[in-house]
Amino acid sequence: NAGVTQTPKFRVLKTGQSMTLLCAQDMNHEYMYWYRQDPGMGLRLIHYSVGEGTTAKGEVPDGYNVSRLKKQNFLLGLESAAPSQTSVYFCASSSGGTGVQPQHFGDGTRLSIL
Amino acid sequence: DQQVKQNSPSLSVQEGRISILNCDYTNSMFDYFLWYKKYPAEGPTFLISISSIKDKNEDGRFTVFLNKSAKHLSLHIVPSQPGDSAVYFCAARKSDYKLSFGAGTTVTVRA
Repeated sequence: NAGVTQTPKFRVLKTGQSMTLLCAQDMNHEYMYWYRQDPGMGLRLIHYSVGEGTTAKGEVPDGYNVSRLKKQNFLLGLESAAPSQTSVYFCASSSGGTGVQPQHFGDGTRLSIL
Repeated sequence: DQQVKQNSPSLSVQEGRISILNCDYTNSMFDYFLWYKKYPAEGPTFLISISSIKDKNEDGRFTVFLNKSAKHLSLHIVPSQPGDSAVYFCAARKSDYKLSFGAGTTVTVRA
């Protein structure tokens, strides 16, 4: 019962470096999301996907790119990391359809940009 | 613009007593409201939800109340237990399945 798995759990980058965060879900969910959590601000949506091969911008998309080549994976990329991107990143997934369909979250990736 | 607000950053309650967490929202298009619980170094976990057409939903020790006219909801935890010490996030969903989160309330249950 893995649910949503995020890789890596921690990472320290230097300004200007690039990296990719991986999210994998084993629940056959159509929808996947990337959030960032900063102190006192709750979770903010970066990008999301409503199905394999689709992506869309969320509330704070600048500086990030995403890809959903396989239904179970959702990748978040930072092309040129900036100190303002220091945050905890959460991936989530949910099914579509009727009803509440709550999002299921991974345990997060703590990213520090020096 | 923050569409979901949790104005109390923290709450301290004695074990066995009631915890009441509050949440306000601005967008009348939200169709579901959810509460998530988060422990340190873990992701948020879904706790309870309520549809916008209901005014109350109960699940064990947890009850959520919705007042649409006031655009306000609350989560009641009775009785509070030490394991309830966590950060609680209020979230609201529109028909596109995206969630808007409040900033969270840290609950501390005292023995």
